[in-house]
Amino acid sequence: AQSVTQPDIHITVSEGASLELRCNYSYGATPYLFWYVQSPGQGLQLLLKYFSGDTLVQGIKGFEAEFKRSQSSFNLRKPSVHWSDAAEYFCAVGLMEYGNKLVFGAGTILRVKS
Amino acid sequence: EAGVVQSPRYKIIEKKQPVAFWCNPISGHNTLYWYRQNLGQGPELLIRYENEEAVDDSQLPKDRFSAERLKGVDSTLKIQPAELGDSAVYLCASSLWRGDGNEQFFGPGTRLTVL
Repeated sequence: AQSVTQPDIHITVSEGASLELRCNYSYGATPYLFWYVQSPGQGLQLLLKYFSGDTLVQGIKGFEAEFKRSQSSFNLRKPSVHWSDAAEYFCAVGLMEYGNKLVFGAGTILRVKS
Repeated sequence: EAGVVQSPRYKIIEKKQPVAFWCNPISGHNTLYWYRQNLGQGPELLIRYENEEAVDDSQLPKDRFSAERLKGVDSTLKIQPAELGDSAVYLCASSLWRGDGNEQFFGPGTRLTVL
């Protein structure tokens, strides 16, 4: 069955430090992959997406993610974290045979300390 | 461009009461999704509409949940009667279906608390 695993429930980083959020997926076909961010009381905002082509994708707010087929991973990175990046981050795989139904991971809560 | 609009933002009801959520998608988006997000989890799809047709409702608990999308625009999700376990955030999303990896845009959600 299709699934997404985000191994880290919480991550705390210092402002200005680099960030990597992990995401692994289980899906038989070529995946469409997404990272969303959710601030408290807000809906989900798309950070970036991978459909095909270059495996390193750039997103908004200085985020990037790299698709590694051999590792079934799509990790999110940012070279320097800002206090405003504190939020919950969700990785998702889009199931094309089901009309791009999104299967989400459980999320990673990012805390930024000054 | 206006985003996906949902109302109400918050709802508190007693168990066994009915409740309804409303969603207005982005203009021109033909695909509409309802997701449920339980505390500490990612969203899970309840139902997907292509225009007026519910094309995937396999995860919708049909004994108490119903949904409609009249005229292929706004949608309403209803629960009757509500149970304690229905407490969650209900998210609506919309997209312009192009057949390949279309991006979904999410509304702010309705936070339901069932007492």
